Amino acid sequence: AAGVIQSPRHLIKEKRETATLKCYPIPRHDTVYWYQQGPGQDPQFLISFYEKMQSDKGSIPDRFSAQQFSDYHSELNMSSLELGDSALYFCASSLGRGRYEQYFGPGTRLTVT
Amino acid sequence: QQQVKQSPQSLIVQKGGISIINCAYENTAFDYFPWYQQFPGKGPALLIAIRPDVSEKKEGRFTISFNKSAKQFSLHIMDSQPGDSATYFCAASRGGATNKLIFGTGTLLAVQP
Repeated sequence: AAGVIQSPRHLIKEKRETATLKCYPIPRHDTVYWYQQGPGQDPQFLISFYEKMQSDKGSIPDRFSAQQFSDYHSELNMSSLELGDSALYFCASSLGRGRYEQYFGPGTRLTVT
Repeated sequence: QQQVKQSPQSLIVQKGGISIINCAYENTAFDYFPWYQQFPGKGPALLIAIRPDVSEKKEGRFTISFNKSAKQFSLHIMDSQPGDSATYFCAASRGGATNKLIFGTGTLLAVQP
């Protein structure tokens, strides 16, 4: 079965640079969630989209923005990167706003040097 | 403030034994409680989930027990195998306009052969 696709899988950036992470949800899934996971920590919710509209916002820095496109893929844009932004970034998708099951992608490992 | 508390932080079990991980929550608005399994460098994989209208759910070797009055739920892994060695996260969400997952802090399970 098709899963959530994330690209790139690994990304190395320097401080103050920008990064763009992409997420392609499971086919027919219309809801996308972004989570950030620091080393040895649990995933923290950043932002979610349903039918191309932002549906919820968590502890996402103002330096970050995201959107969902007409084909339901989503992009997380991160500017003025800081060392503390180094983490695993996961995208998850679900089918329908009222459906609970979220399926996670393999993640993007971002390293800021 | 950790909305979902998970214990133990780490667990060592012998092959064939039972692994038990516990979680507790405060927000009575939560109505969906999944468990995720995560291997190092991989995305969390949905294992099993429960809604508060049932007290137990079993899928293969994995069982969730749910105590609504105590606001606690637990994961039991029967006949634990070395391949089960991973980090396990409990989570909770409250549906509605947002299904964002609030995770516990994780349990690192090691199953010894």
